[in-house]
Amino acid sequence: GAGVSQSPSNKVTEKGKDVELRCDPISGHTALYWYRQSLGQGLEFLIYFQGNSAPDKSGLPSDRFSAERTGGSVSTLTIQRTQQEDSAVYLCASSLMGAAGELFFGEGSRLTVL
Amino acid sequence: QQQVKQSPQSLIVQKGGISIINCAYENTAFDYFPWYQQFPGKGPALLIAIRPDVSEKKEGRFTISFNKSAKQFSLHIMDSQPGDSATYFCAASRITGGGNKLTFGTGTQLKVEL
Repeated sequence: GAGVSQSPSNKVTEKGKDVELRCDPISGHTALYWYRQSLGQGLEFLIYFQGNSAPDKSGLPSDRFSAERTGGSVSTLTIQRTQQEDSAVYLCASSLMGAAGELFFGEGSRLTVL
Repeated sequence: QQQVKQSPQSLIVQKGGISIINCAYENTAFDYFPWYQQFPGKGPALLIAIRPDVSEKKEGRFTISFNKSAKQFSLHIMDSQPGDSATYFCAASRITGGGNKLTFGTGTQLKVEL
């Protein structure tokens, strides 16, 4: 595809359930990021993958959050035992290495935890 | 600790007027300052960016002004149009040795009225 693709676009789940959010970056982009956007809170950095380097997990809010990137391409963000405060839009972005900060974002996955 | 502070939270401007959004940062290691534009239901998209070696950058109706000593930068939208109505995020990153990990402000919701 031409852009960053995320699925599902909307997810409603019950508190305590696990969810998986998927990101398919732009072909050839070596860097992949996950951000969380909550109402009035801006974009909160979660995790960053760059090539074969160890991911920067410094933004993950708790050990219930994890992410992996398989084959240097598709990434999955997993939230275990979801809580109501996890409700937000989860945005994935990708970039070329050394692209001086230009991130290309997907349209996001809106997560609602009831 | 909020490393990038953005104001105002919301802004209403008449068509043809000038929209001004301000940001301040704390980390002097930041060396890349982009602005992203987000329409409802879409991911943010890069609008314009500046490096600290220049004090101003202009692209069409959009200008970034940068004050390194004050650790502040601002976005000016000249001749604002209804199509400019969106949420604007300032951001900062440390390109040199820091990858492309962006720290975002909390966003400004701009509405341009006829």
